[in-house]
Amino acid sequence: QKEVEQNSGPLSVPEGAIASLNCTYSDRGSQSFFWYRQYSGKSPELIMSIYSNGDKEDGRFTAQLNKASQYVSLLIRDSQPSDSATYLCAVIGGSSNTGKLIFGQGTTLQVKP
Amino acid sequence: DADVTQTPRNRITKTGKRIMLECSQTKGHDRMYWYRQDPGLGLRLIYYSFDVKDINKGEISDGYSVSRQAQAKFSLSLESAIPNQTALYFCATSVTGFSDTQYFGPGTRLTVL
Repeated sequence: QKEVEQNSGPLSVPEGAIASLNCTYSDRGSQSFFWYRQYSGKSPELIMSIYSNGDKEDGRFTAQLNKASQYVSLLIRDSQPSDSATYLCAVIGGSSNTGKLIFGQGTTLQVKP
Repeated sequence: DADVTQTPRNRITKTGKRIMLECSQTKGHDRMYWYRQDPGLGLRLIYYSFDVKDINKGEISDGYSVSRQAQAKFSLSLESAIPNQTALYFCATSVTGFSDTQYFGPGTRLTVL
């Protein structure tokens, strides 16, 4: 079992729709969770971090964390073509992985005008 | 000026050559990391350093070595490059005790012929 799993996609949504990106993780002791956006050939850029159960909103982005289900998601409202990118879920594990980010393979999002 | 810089940005070399990739940061962070990214495999940790005297292997350290010359500088070496080390390499930084967020440099595209 991979430590952090994402559907590679591509996930295709029309402009203006809500894009929902999902991620599961295996280390139940994980404490810190991140979503990065990466455009092709560019470096990952932090979009959201979340540390406690529930929702965290920042503009058009909402991160959701459910530690009991070991599940973290990212919702993008009013999706724009400029949101087309690969979204990386990353987790800092429990005691065995302190300080080290474990990345999922990423989900490619395509927003069609 | 960028907070995390990497040199060179692109490099083409031949099998068996020694290569050094350099990373510098002005963020004042104590932790630095080297990752490689391959299509379909996501980001994988090569080495990480929590301070100048603390260097640790990541999940794919074979064939690589590192040097932390100062808090702001962290270099990655390929002692004898091989074609399967062709990849995009990223340096990242973070600060101990503050959100665990990692910030990435622009990347080095390395091709080993």
